[in-house]
Amino acid sequence: EDQVTQSPEALRLQEGESSSLNCSYTVSGLRGLFWYRQDPGKGPEFLFTLYSAGEEKEKERLKATLTKKESFLHITAPKPEDSATYLCAVFGSGNTGKLIFGQGTTLQVKP
Amino acid sequence: DVKVTQSSRYLVKRTGEKVFLECVQDMDHENMFWYRQDPGLGLRLIYFSYDVKMKEKGDIPEGYSVSREKKERFSLILESASTNQTSMYLCASSIGGVGNTIYFGEGSWLTVV
Repeated sequence: EDQVTQSPEALRLQEGESSSLNCSYTVSGLRGLFWYRQDPGKGPEFLFTLYSAGEEKEKERLKATLTKKESFLHITAPKPEDSATYLCAVFGSGNTGKLIFGQGTTLQVKP
Repeated sequence: DVKVTQSSRYLVKRTGEKVFLECVQDMDHENMFWYRQDPGLGLRLIYFSYDVKMKEKGDIPEGYSVSREKKERFSLILESASTNQTSMYLCASSIGGVGNTIYFGEGSWLTVV
């Protein structure tokens, strides 16, 4: 069964304290892994797409990496404005085009 | 920038009312989607469409229908709203095929009383 599991569920960091979020996935034939940021009461905002193991993408303080079983979202020297829920998703097996989402990691960065 | 616009951000409707949620995208995307998001349940796909006048059921289509008469517009219809349909509804779009980035709108908060 296709599955995406994110850990931890919640993460509290002090400003400047770097850390990583994990996304483990089980799917036959990965056709893309996506990271989104979601602020309270708003829709998910696209961050990164990764397609193959070894691929890395960066944007400001965020860096996403991909292996054959999991992806990491590394946050370097976070700021309070990085506080949000981070969602990971993959396309399911077969040709349905359906995204399978993890439950998300809620990040709080304190000044 | 991709723009997915949901016409109503906040709605309050009565049980039994027919509810229309409208979504428009400005990037000529072939694929459009409707999700709902609930605490503890995450995002769940209701319906999606790969082309005009085409629709496919997602994971939770019961109690919903959709309409796609024009490429840029995808409507979600609650035929007879019920309290268990109180939720945040998210519209999304992507270019055709599988594996392409899906872009989301800002969401519509629906409360059914």
